[in-house]
Amino acid sequence: DTGVSQDPRHKITKRGQNVTFRCDPISEHNRLYWYRQTLGQGPEFLTYFQNEAQLEKSRLLSDRFSAERPKGSFSTLEIQRTEQGDSAMYLCASSRGGGSVTEAFFGQGTRLTVV
Amino acid sequence: DAKTTQPTSMDCAEGRAANLPCNHSTISGNEYVYWYRQIHSQGPQYIIHGLKNNETNEMASLIITEDRKSSTLILPHATLRDTAVYYCIVRVDDSSASKIIFGSGTRLSIRP
Repeated sequence: DTGVSQDPRHKITKRGQNVTFRCDPISEHNRLYWYRQTLGQGPEFLTYFQNEAQLEKSRLLSDRFSAERPKGSFSTLEIQRTEQGDSAMYLCASSRGGGSVTEAFFGQGTRLTVV
Repeated sequence: DAKTTQPTSMDCAEGRAANLPCNHSTISGNEYVYWYRQIHSQGPQYIIHGLKNNETNEMASLIITEDRKSSTLILPHATLRDTAVYYCIVRVDDSSASKIIFGSGTRLSIRP
């Protein structure tokens, strides 16, 4: 499968613990996006990267959240000191970008439950 | 990116055409209209996009009005597997490194 893959698919954690999610984009895609989605809502933008550069961060990305894409390939999203309000589906997407209009491909998401 | 307005929900009989409207009255000249859909418990899936001409692919057709202030996504022969939330998005040319902003979308139910 050469689509966007996310790991893990599901994560249950206790409040106050740190969690890290991984996203592997489609190999030739230089843009990578992170979104958060709660029940009944559309995906909310968190941040995106062009290659290894983090170009934009949403105000939703509090200081407990950090995203990296160290070599311009896979990305990680870490949440420190998780809170119950962090429970959501975290989606990753990638696209080619770079001067042409292209669609973004989404992964299946990581569902986080904070208990 | 311009905002879009979509009905909260719609339903359609299986085998009939599903026509999903979207208003984007503040769209700029360099903004494209994109449609994505999200089937339950999956990530959003790209359907189609266009600038000002009507577009068709194997999944759907996109009709954009001449003034570009609204568009309609057409699923020509809806099946039960088309039950999903459909998002209409407008965004600038990708060379401007624009993020994708989702609204609440239209929840389409296909009835047997």
